[in-house]
Amino acid sequence: LAKTTQPISMDSYEGQEVNITCSHNNIATNDYITWYQQFPSQGPRFIIQGYKTKVTNEVASLFIPADRKSSTLSLPRVSLSDTAVYYCLVVAGNNNDMRFGAGTRLTVKP
Amino acid sequence: NAGVMQNPRHLVRRRGQEARLRCSPMKGHSHVYWYRQLPEEGLKFMVYLQKENIIDESGMPKERFSAEFPKEGPSILRIQQVVRGDSAAYFCASSPIRFGQGSYEQYFGPGTRLTVT
Repeated sequence: LAKTTQPISMDSYEGQEVNITCSHNNIATNDYITWYQQFPSQGPRFIIQGYKTKVTNEVASLFIPADRKSSTLSLPRVSLSDTAVYYCLVVAGNNNDMRFGAGTRLTVKP
Repeated sequence: NAGVMQNPRHLVRRRGQEARLRCSPMKGHSHVYWYRQLPEEGLKFMVYLQKENIIDESGMPKERFSAEFPKEGPSILRIQQVVRGDSAAYFCASSPIRFGQGSYEQYFGPGTRLTVT
């Protein structure tokens, strides 16, 4: 599985757009990119998944360039409740597990 | 539709005792995954089960740890003769289809926090 690299922490303010970029230089052809969110003392929650270009849902957007060596999770107009750890994962269809790194700890300030 | 349920939420065991963690997947989900999370770290995959079958236990320690998902009832993660290093949060997740077959979404429970004294 491709290793992922993302910032350890980020700060933002309410109402701002937050972009968290993840590097995955060794991503394989069949790998997908997925992002999870985890609040303290809770299990992770799925946010979005994508293979290439742009994916958008009601929560976030995921931008993946043509070479797929990185991806950017975009959270529009964050609120205090978006303070959490965000995990970028590269997952392969023939694997049964997800490899969570340390994630990015996002702190949204008033 | 209730989410993934885990119990107990907190469990304290003395060294050498057994810990039994239970997970009830979401209704209609027959795929269960167990993860362990140490403080300030990401989750580490342990085992993947379907009803009555262990599909992948590559992340589970060879000794003292076992898991099952019987035909009836919850999935159980069992840790025998616990040691202090077993102290962690243990998360269970479930999915309606096999992970990777069109979806990479797993639904996680709230976790069981095991403390070994």
